[in-house]
Amino acid sequence: TQLLEQSPQFLSIQEGENLTVYCNSSSVFSSLQWYRQEPGEGPVLLVTVVTGGEVKKLKRLTFQFGDARKDSSLHITAAQPGDTGLYLCAGRGGGTSYGKLTFGQGTILTVHP
Amino acid sequence: DTGVSQNPRHKITKRGQNVTFRCDPISEHNRLYWYRQTLGQGPEFLTYFQNEAQLEKSRLLSDRFSAERPKGSFSTLEIQRTEQGDSAMYLCASSAIQGVAGELFFGEGSRLTVL
Repeated sequence: TQLLEQSPQFLSIQEGENLTVYCNSSSVFSSLQWYRQEPGEGPVLLVTVVTGGEVKKLKRLTFQFGDARKDSSLHITAAQPGDTGLYLCAGRGGGTSYGKLTFGQGTILTVHP
Repeated sequence: DTGVSQNPRHKITKRGQNVTFRCDPISEHNRLYWYRQTLGQGPEFLTYFQNEAQLEKSRLLSDRFSAERPKGSFSTLEIQRTEQGDSAMYLCASSAIQGVAGELFFGEGSRLTVL
């Protein structure tokens, strides 16, 4: 069973601060995705990382995939109240399991104005 | 709107009753997924289909749960003899087959409350 551990589980910060969310596993993933979910809605994809060591930037968000493809991080610079939400990492296994996407338990981010 | 559609959005039922949820995926998507999510937690994988074939089913899914996708289009998730622990949001998602980078498109979910 592939498990993804996210930390921290809760994050409450002031507008303008920086933050990092971590996603760790003992398993190797063929790809890793980050989703954001708002109350009453389904998760929406932010980014997909595939190559070990890969770094992707999406405006103020920076995503990194670990060299061994077992971990990932999401860094937000100068957080804004609109960033508030549930952030989820999700990994795909290899071989016959690549169709299945396993989610971490999520990080609830609250950005106060 | 051509996104993933789920019905009903809310269902309140008494313990022991059966419930069925329906999911209509994005029309050209081959894969369809069911997840269960409790408040503030990440989605928990239940099962997924590629066309009409059910390719994987979570071991956490008891035999009270069954999912079908008979014609490779819409899917149903049935829960028999509901228990209070079944109360959760049931999310459906669909994707095109895109190897390891495929994006899942989620519906807004069906919230189940078992009294």
